[in-house]
Amino acid sequence: DTAVSQTPKYLVTQMGNDKSIKCEQNLGHDTMYWYKQDSKKFLKIMFSYNNKELIINETVPNRFSPKSPDKAHLNLHINSLELGDSAVYFCASSRSPTGGNYGYTFGSGTRLTVV
Amino acid sequence: GIQVEQSPPDLILQEGANSTLRCNFSDSVNNLQWFHQNPWGQLINLFYIPSGTKQNGRLSATTVATERYSLLYISSSQTTDSGVYFCAAGRDSSYKLIFGSGTRLLVRP
Repeated sequence: DTAVSQTPKYLVTQMGNDKSIKCEQNLGHDTMYWYKQDSKKFLKIMFSYNNKELIINETVPNRFSPKSPDKAHLNLHINSLELGDSAVYFCASSRSPTGGNYGYTFGSGTRLTVV
Repeated sequence: GIQVEQSPPDLILQEGANSTLRCNFSDSVNNLQWFHQNPWGQLINLFYIPSGTKQNGRLSATTVATERYSLLYISSSQTTDSGVYFCAAGRDSSYKLIFGSGTRLLVRP
């Protein structure tokens, strides 16, 4: 039973389209995150929610909008996709915003390619 | 913000060898984690270690928070250890976990 699952695993889309990535965790964690990994493998935090409340909102274009309907789900919607949005997007969760003694659990990633 | 530097950037080992990966951070932290990204892209949490020493099989980690560094030891390396090892650090007050640029490890049979 997958702990943090993301869908889709691969996403190829044209510039200008709108797309969503979904994330669900079944670990009972309170905190969820979106990270972006670029082509050089650099990982950067984008957003974090704790119990459905936004606690981290990094400097990302406002074309990116996270939504957390409940503490087990965190979705990422991207409007007007650009070539530079191509990357791997990782969802993660933890017991608390500080890691909660066991650290983060990551999903398997969504490889987004904008053409 | 916190800066996280990892060394070496690349490492090639023969199977069976031991290695030490280093992570330096620029400020006091109370959240320090090590991750392994395998060749298929999966990120696996290895250790949550803001201070002290932990061991898990052939892997162990030590963080000396007062001196702002953490070490990851890999003993008797195996080809399945190949991938990228990331250190990430943060402070409670900001909640952000900042990742280093990683150490790429290749273990040859």
